[in-house]
Amino acid sequence: EVQLVESGGGLVEPGRSLKLSCVASGFTFNDYAMHWVRQAPGKGLEWVSAINWNSALIEYADSVKGRFTISRDNAKNTLFLQMDSLRTQDTALYYCTKDLYSSGTTGDALDLWGQGTPVTVSS
Amino acid sequence: QSLLTQPPSVSGAPGQRVTISCTGGSSNIGSGYAVHWYQQLPGAAPKLLISDYSNRPSGVPDRFSGSKSGTSASLTITGLRAEDEAHYYCQSYDTSLSGALFGGGTKLTVL
Repeated sequence: EVQLVESGGGLVEPGRSLKLSCVASGFTFNDYAMHWVRQAPGKGLEWVSAINWNSALIEYADSVKGRFTISRDNAKNTLFLQMDSLRTQDTALYYCTKDLYSSGTTGDALDLWGQGTPVTVSS
Repeated sequence: QSLLTQPPSVSGAPGQRVTISCTGGSSNIGSGYAVHWYQQLPGAAPKLLISDYSNRPSGVPDRFSGSKSGTSASLTITGLRAEDEAHYYCQSYDTSLSGALFGGGTKLTVL
């Protein structure tokens, strides 16, 4: 089955860290760029970060630049998001998503989404 | 305020046609960057509905169509059904942000 399964979310205090994981299955993971997209409670979608197939190209939204780090382990079909210096504004459901194209650029469509992992930043 | 502007809400009766607009600018749609559309049903993850302005992924009914005009894009739904009630988001790339960008979302209500 083609799917993405996120994990690692939880409740964390402001200023602390959290690392999200996303395990992919059912497709050739190392052929595609991958992205993280988040959705604050009751709000719209916000693109967070993207990484191309070989980790050579990485981009971040301004809101997380310098605090979040995206990475991937192609041998384990796993995408990561290291989140440091967390803020209350980072509270959201974090989705792992797959790029539609193997070439993978930030402007591409996202054709596969996980169910999301919730992150709550609160004291 | 998003750089891609969508109406907060639209509505229509079953069987009718509705159009959702996504208005951008010179740093995104106007620069030729593709627009994609997603449907998010209540309590579910978003689902790709239209890619690259007008391409429907396999399994998406042909009641859904997309188009572009200048610095705007549109999603049109014909033969409206109750199960179409959802939030719809457009997405593109923005050069000023150097990243992907979503519109604020539009809630479709089927009357």
